[in-house]
Amino acid sequence: NAGVTQTPKFQVLKTGQSMTLQCAQDMNHEYMSWYRQDPGMGLRLIHYSVGAGITDQGEVPNGYNVSRSTTEDFPLRLLSAAPSQTSVYFCASGQGATNEQFFGPGTRLTVL
Amino acid sequence: RKEVEQDPGPFNVPEGATVAFNCTYSNSASQSFFWYRQDCRKEPKLLMSVYSSGNEDGRFTAQLNRASQYISLLIRDSKLSDSATYLCVGLGGGADGLTFGKGTHLIIQP
Repeated sequence: NAGVTQTPKFQVLKTGQSMTLQCAQDMNHEYMSWYRQDPGMGLRLIHYSVGAGITDQGEVPNGYNVSRSTTEDFPLRLLSAAPSQTSVYFCASGQGATNEQFFGPGTRLTVL
Repeated sequence: RKEVEQDPGPFNVPEGATVAFNCTYSNSASQSFFWYRQDCRKEPKLLMSVYSSGNEDGRFTAQLNRASQYISLLIRDSKLSDSATYLCVGLGGGADGLTFGKGTHLIIQP
């Protein structure tokens, strides 16, 4: 099992550009989520999904979209990148919201 | 917003010593708690779950005190490899999943 994979590992964007961060898991987990981690702020939930076709907003959803067309994939889209979105982004999956969450290796995003 | 609070440290501890962290939570409805470990520039990984009766895994012991709304992590005979950030995590019972503390930074010194 590859577990949770994320691509790309690093990305530099200019303000206003859009991009998609990819996340995939091969553990057949129904629950997937996206977090951002900033110094001094800890991990903050952006969006989550309890199954294919179902998504919901977390604590900091503005500027991000998600979709869940399959159980395996949960991409995060930045619509118009802003410097405030410079962060490390982690995707996670678990059997459910109350179970152990497995994290991907993260994507380090810089927006200039 | 549900809150989980931790002392950010850093805790500088000599190798072989015992170190303990506490973490307080504000949502009394929280049913489950975890300790995650995060190494520098890596993803968080589960260290241990925290049960009402407390649990032990080798040199690590986790305790839950519902009356005072805190959980603790005790590390005995600390090793250099224990140097990391330890994240306290609670669950509010809703579908939005985990609430992470900001982490406690531990440095084990030779």
